[in-house]
Amino acid sequence: DIVLTQSPALAVSLGQRATISCKTNQNVDYYGNSYMHWYQQKPGQQPKLLIYLASNLASGIPARFSGRGSGTDFTLTIDPVEADDTATYYCQQSRNLWTFGGGTKLELK
Amino acid sequence: EVQLVETGGGLVQPGRSLKLSCVASGFTFSSYWMYWIRQAPGKGLEWVSSINTDGGSTYYPDSVKGRFTISRDNAENTVYLQMNSLRSEDTATYYCAKAIAAAWGMDAWGQGASVTVSS
Repeated sequence: DIVLTQSPALAVSLGQRATISCKTNQNVDYYGNSYMHWYQQKPGQQPKLLIYLASNLASGIPARFSGRGSGTDFTLTIDPVEADDTATYYCQQSRNLWTFGGGTKLELK
Repeated sequence: EVQLVETGGGLVQPGRSLKLSCVASGFTFSSYWMYWIRQAPGKGLEWVSSINTDGGSTYYPDSVKGRFTISRDNAENTVYLQMNSLRSEDTATYYCAKAIAAAWGMDAWGQGASVTVSS
C-alpha cells in the first residue's frame, strides 16, 4: 500500500505563504505523470479538488494555489494566504489504487 | 452544472446491510469513473471503492473488500454502494465523487450520506 504522510497542522499569517507537504513511501510517478492530487475541505463541506497530477490547477481554483513535486515528495503552496483558506488540506495518490494523506489543518496566526 | 446527490444513509445495526445511491447530472455519466469515499466523524478521508466507465472493473481497499460492492447503472446515471456485514467502524459520511479522468483526481463530490452503525 502507498502511505501518504502530512504534517497535522500549519499556522501562517494573512498574506504570507503556506507550504503544505506530502511524502509517500513509494514513487507515484508513471509515464511522465505524477499521480498526486490535492483537496481542500472546510468544516461541514465536501472536499474540493485544487490540484491534479501534482501541478495542474483544477477548474475555478485561484492561481494563489499551486502544486509541485515528483516521485515521493510533493507540496501545495498557497500564496498569499487569505482568511477563507482556513481549512484542512488532503493529498491523494492514484498511482496504485487510491489513498489519502491524513490531512493538514491550516490555521491563521 | 455537475451535481451528485447521495441517498440511502441512516442508522443500521451491526451485521446488517445498507445500500447507498448517488444520482449524477450535468455531465455524461457513462464516460467517467466514479468513486465512494468516506469520512468517519472527526477523521480524515478514506477511499472506499472505484468503478470504471462500464462497470466491468471495480476496486476496494482491504478494509471493505468482500463486504462492500460498487455498481452503476449508466441508463439511470446512478452509482451504488451495497454495504453488507456492517461494523461500528463503518460509521461515517459517505461521499460519491466523479473523476476528471481515470486516476486523475476527483473533481466533483456530493454532499455526503451519513451512515451510523450502532445497536
